[in-house]
Amino acid sequence: QKEVEQDPGPLSVPEGAIVSLNCTYSNSAFQYFMWYRQYSRKGPELLMYTYSSGNKEDGRFTAQVDKSSKYISLFIRDSQPSDSATYLCAVETAGNMLTFGGGTRLMVKP
Amino acid sequence: DAGITQSPRHKVTETGTPVTLRCHQTENHRYMYWYRQDPGHGLRLIHYSYGVKDTDKGEVSDGYSVSRSKTEDFLLTLESATSSQTSVYFCAISEGWGQGSGANVLTFGAGSRLTVL
Repeated sequence: QKEVEQDPGPLSVPEGAIVSLNCTYSNSAFQYFMWYRQYSRKGPELLMYTYSSGNKEDGRFTAQVDKSSKYISLFIRDSQPSDSATYLCAVETAGNMLTFGGGTRLMVKP
Repeated sequence: DAGITQSPRHKVTETGTPVTLRCHQTENHRYMYWYRQDPGHGLRLIHYSYGVKDTDKGEVSDGYSVSRSKTEDFLLTLESATSSQTSVYFCAISEGWGQGSGANVLTFGAGSRLTVL
């Protein structure tokens, strides 16, 4: 079993929709959970991260962690065509290394 | 890409030839990493460095070696390239954990696309 699982998509939504991106992870000891955004032919860039459980909001983006079900989510409100990218979840594992999910490709259509 | 430069950005080579990818940073970060990204596998750690001449293996280190003789440079070498090493390679840097934020936040370079024929 992979440590982090993520649906590869693609996920196609109309502009203005609420987007929900999700990952599951295997080890309840993980404490830091991150979301990276990667535009085509670019390197990943950190969107936001959360520590332990709960929500964290940054503008149109909300990250949510449910440790009881080992589930992490990223919500994007009022999605824009500029949000079209691949979204990678990551968890900080033993030795403070990051393990990444495979990424979900999101397409927001005007 | 915020103080990280990867070179070359694109390379096509033949099976059996040696290849070296270079990562250069201007941030003076202690930690440097090499990842490869493949469809269906996401980002996988090859090797990382926690200081000059201090390196360790990651998840997919077979067939790769690294060197770090200066804080700013981290080299990834494929001694004898194989077609299975065709991939996009990303360098990343971090200050490490516990540096204010507590999380190990990585900053990535733009990537090096390697094709082995």
